[in-house]
Amino acid sequence: AQSVTQLGSHVSVSEGALVLLRCNYSSSVPPYLFWYVQYPNQGLQLLLKYTTGATLVKGINGFEAEFKKSETSFHLTKPSAHMSDAAEYFCAVSVQSAGKSTFGDGTTLTVKP
Amino acid sequence: ETGVTQSPTHLIKTRGQQVTLRCSSQSGHNTVSWYQQALGQGPQFIFQYYREEENGRGNFPPRFSGLQFPNYSSELNVNALELDDSALYLCASSSGQQLTGNTIYFGEGSWLTVV
Repeated sequence: AQSVTQLGSHVSVSEGALVLLRCNYSSSVPPYLFWYVQYPNQGLQLLLKYTTGATLVKGINGFEAEFKKSETSFHLTKPSAHMSDAAEYFCAVSVQSAGKSTFGDGTTLTVKP
Repeated sequence: ETGVTQSPTHLIKTRGQQVTLRCSSQSGHNTVSWYQQALGQGPQFIFQYYREEENGRGNFPPRFSGLQFPNYSSELNVNALELDDSALYLCASSSGQQLTGNTIYFGEGSWLTVV
């Protein structure tokens, strides 16, 4: 079975500062990894995903994540935070279809002006 | 706008009652997954349907059941509602259940409150 741990349930950054949201996973087979964003009262939107190939993955809205197998990590970063980035972020892992993902408990990102 | 629509958006039920939640998948998608998201937690996988057959189930009791129709729309049924069933129920659709890297598209969810 796979699992996901998101370190830090709340992260607060200033506008323009680096965003770093941490995700560690556990999987007995090579995983597929995803980051989703959820705005209030909305469903989840895919930011980016790692399946195979290049370990540095670029997503929408300037976000990127790097798959580090040795560290079992898939941290999400963005060089410069915008106010519109304030939302809940979820890391997910799957070893089968993406529709059978295991999600972390989420990190709430607050962006201060 | 993901093309996945869910209904109803909000509903309140009494403990012991039954509820049916509906999902219309994005056009061309033959796979649908249902998730339960309790307040302050991440989504938890309930089950997946592929071409009208259940194709995997998470750790949920049998009173959670589903259907997928020939047009690939789907229903989630919950019997004998308990207070802990209060949550946001999310539907997600994709094409091709064997393609692990396929993107899945979420609806905006149905908020269920059990009193």
